[in-house]
Amino acid sequence: DSGVTQTPKHLITATGQRVTLRCSPRSGDLSVYWYQQSLDQGLQFLIHYYNGEERAKGNILERFSAQQFPDLHSELNLSSLELGDSALYFCASSDGAVDSGPYGYTFGSGTRLTVV
Amino acid sequence: QKEVEQDPGPLSVPEGAIVSLNCTYSNSAFQYFMWYRQYSRKGPELLMYTYSSGNKEDGRFTAQVDKSSKYISLFIRDSQPSDSATYLCAMRPNRGSTLGRLYFGRGTQLTVWP
Repeated sequence: DSGVTQTPKHLITATGQRVTLRCSPRSGDLSVYWYQQSLDQGLQFLIHYYNGEERAKGNILERFSAQQFPDLHSELNLSSLELGDSALYFCASSDGAVDSGPYGYTFGSGTRLTVV
Repeated sequence: QKEVEQDPGPLSVPEGAIVSLNCTYSNSAFQYFMWYRQYSRKGPELLMYTYSSGNKEDGRFTAQVDKSSKYISLFIRDSQPSDSATYLCAMRPNRGSTLGRLYFGRGTQLTVWP
């Protein structure tokens, strides 16, 4: 167990629907990152939150949004789902201050989203 | 051109072999370099990280960074079947608004057969 908790583990939904993926970071970690992993694209950065504030956005679609709550857990909302949104969605958290030092992420085990 | 390039393999080697995994990158601002291992249906786990150029060794694993060539490597000595996984390189710059973001290679799938 990495300490980063993602729920649900699996999600099957229909096109056009909306889903929410949840992430609880490791205790003490202030940064949360969301990544999408598909077979053809690898790990694609979506968004980064630090202590409740959005810090960076990657190739996140307008249909997708995220937020980090005061208790530091984060949610990724995916709406108007399309078949191409089927992928593994990973949350990661980090234990260093954003602007100093080397650090790596700790990943959760992911949410496998299947859009049918 | 993607910022980080990594041959996806697959790579298949016998137990005990030395494995070499590599990535190239284009962004000269990258300063921190990492290797992650991802088992099937699991999240990536951090294996090693290095700062700037040089080598770092941890048990059977050695990470090398050559910033002049924009090339990083991971060597696995005495490979074991339990090393079978996908290995992803990752890197990030030392400054800028996307400081926390990691840039990943696509991953190399490795199989070590007994």
